[in-house]
Amino acid sequence: KQEVTQIPAALSVPEGENLVLNCSFTDSAIYNLQWFRQDPGKGLTSLLLIQSSQREQTSGRLNASLDKSSGRSTLYIAASQPGDSATYLCAAPGASYGKLTFGQGTILTVHP
Amino acid sequence: EAGVVQSPRYKIIEKKQPVAFWCNPISGHNTLYWYRQNLGQGPELLIRYENEEAVDDSQLPKDRFSAERLKGVDSTLKIQPAELGDSAVYLCASSLEARGNTEAFFGQGTRLTVV
Repeated sequence: KQEVTQIPAALSVPEGENLVLNCSFTDSAIYNLQWFRQDPGKGLTSLLLIQSSQREQTSGRLNASLDKSSGRSTLYIAASQPGDSATYLCAAPGASYGKLTFGQGTILTVHP
Repeated sequence: EAGVVQSPRYKIIEKKQPVAFWCNPISGHNTLYWYRQNLGQGPELLIRYENEEAVDDSQLPKDRFSAERLKGVDSTLKIQPAELGDSAVYLCASSLEARGNTEAFFGQGTRLTVV
C-alpha cells in the first residue's frame, strides 16, 4: 500500500526566498508523481507531473525532482512571492493504476 | 478548453437526508475519479471509473454511497442517508487514461456540511 508523507507540514517565509518542499513515498514502483497546489476553498491545480523516466521537471519558478530509488521528490520554488501562498500536495500512484495517494500537504505562507 | 466542472459548490443538509453531487469531466477523458478530502488532509479515493465501468470502488462506503457514470461521461455521486461524518469536500477528477503517464485534473469540489 502506497503511503505518502510531506515535510514540513507548514512553512512561513519572507518574500524572495527560495524554498524546498519534501515528499516521500513508500512504494517506489511508480510511473509518475504529481504536484498540486490548493488555494483555500478551492480544488486542486496541477503544477507538475514527473514521469518515472525523468529526474526533473520545470515550470517557471517551480522545479520538481524525483528519485525513485530513495522514494523522494522535492518541489523547489524560486524567488517566492505572496501569491505562492497555498497548500502544496504531492501524489503518487500505487499498485492500483490510477489511484493517487496524497500526502497531507505543506501549508506555505509567503509574507511581504 | 473547459476543465472539470462540479456542482453544486456548496451544500448544507441535515443528517439522514440524501444528497447528490454532479461532475462533468474534461472532454475526451475516459477515466473519472471521485475523491473525498477531510479538513487538513489530502484527498482519498472513493471510486474510479474507466469509461462507464467502476474499476476501483474498494473505499466507497457502499451502505450509503452510490455512484454512476452515464454513457462514460458525466458522473453522479450520491449519499443516502448522510451522516455528520460525511462533512468534507468531494472532489472529482479526470484523466485521459489511468494507465501510463497521464495527468489528473481536478474540479473545484463540492463542500458538504451535514448538520
